[in-house]
Amino acid sequence: EDQVTQSPEALRLQEGESSSLNCSYTVSGLRGLFWYRQDPGKGPEFLFTLYSAGEEKEKERLKATLTKKESFLHITAPKPEDSATYLCAVHYWRHGQNFVFGPGTRLSVLP
Amino acid sequence: DTGVSQNPRHKITKRGQNVTFRCDPISEHNRLYWYRQTLGQGPEFLTYFQNEAQLEKSRLLSDRFSAERPKGSFSTLEIQRTEQGDSAMYLCASSLDEGSPQHFGDGTRLSIL
Repeated sequence: EDQVTQSPEALRLQEGESSSLNCSYTVSGLRGLFWYRQDPGKGPEFLFTLYSAGEEKEKERLKATLTKKESFLHITAPKPEDSATYLCAVHYWRHGQNFVFGPGTRLSVLP
Repeated sequence: DTGVSQNPRHKITKRGQNVTFRCDPISEHNRLYWYRQTLGQGPEFLTYFQNEAQLEKSRLLSDRFSAERPKGSFSTLEIQRTEQGDSAMYLCASSLDEGSPQHFGDGTRLSIL
C-alpha cells in the first residue's frame, strides 16, 4: 500500500537544540517530495521540493535531504518562531497522479 | 496580495444543508487542487483541475461532493446533504504546472451542527 509516514509525531526542543524530522514513503514512481510548514488555523506554507535521491535544499535554519525511501528535515539551532507542524507530501504516478501528505510532526521550540 | 484566496473562512451549517466554498488561485497557475484536513492529520487529496478540466478525483470523494472550475479561473467545491463527518478544513492549492510546488490558501473551516 502506498504510504507516507512521519516521525516523531511531536517534538519538543530547547532553543538552539538541533534535531531532525523524518518522512518515510513506500511509493514507486516518485515525481517529487515536498516539505511544508503549517501554523494553527493556516494553510500549509511551502518550504522545499526534492526530486531525486541525494538532493539537498537549504533555507535559513532548515535543510532537507532525500534518499530513495525517506527524507529528513534538519533544523539547526531552532528558535521559538520555528514552532509549527511540519508536513511532507509525495507526488507520484500510479494509475494517475497521486498527491499524499504525511500526518505531520508537531514541533515546539521552547525559549 | 497574489496568494491563494478562499471564502468563506468559516462555515457553520445544519446537517442536511448544502454548502459551497470558493477558491481563487494564484492568477498564472494552471493547476488547482482541493484537499480536506481534519485535526491532527495531513491534508487529504480530493480532486484537481488542469485549467477548466477536472483530471483526477479521489476514490474517497463521495457523490455528494462536486467541484467546478469554469473558464479555468476560480473554483467552487459544493457539498450536498452535509453529514457530521464532513466537518473539516477544506484547503485549496494551486501550482504552475505538474511538477511545481502547490501553494495553499488558509482554508474554509466547515462545522456541521
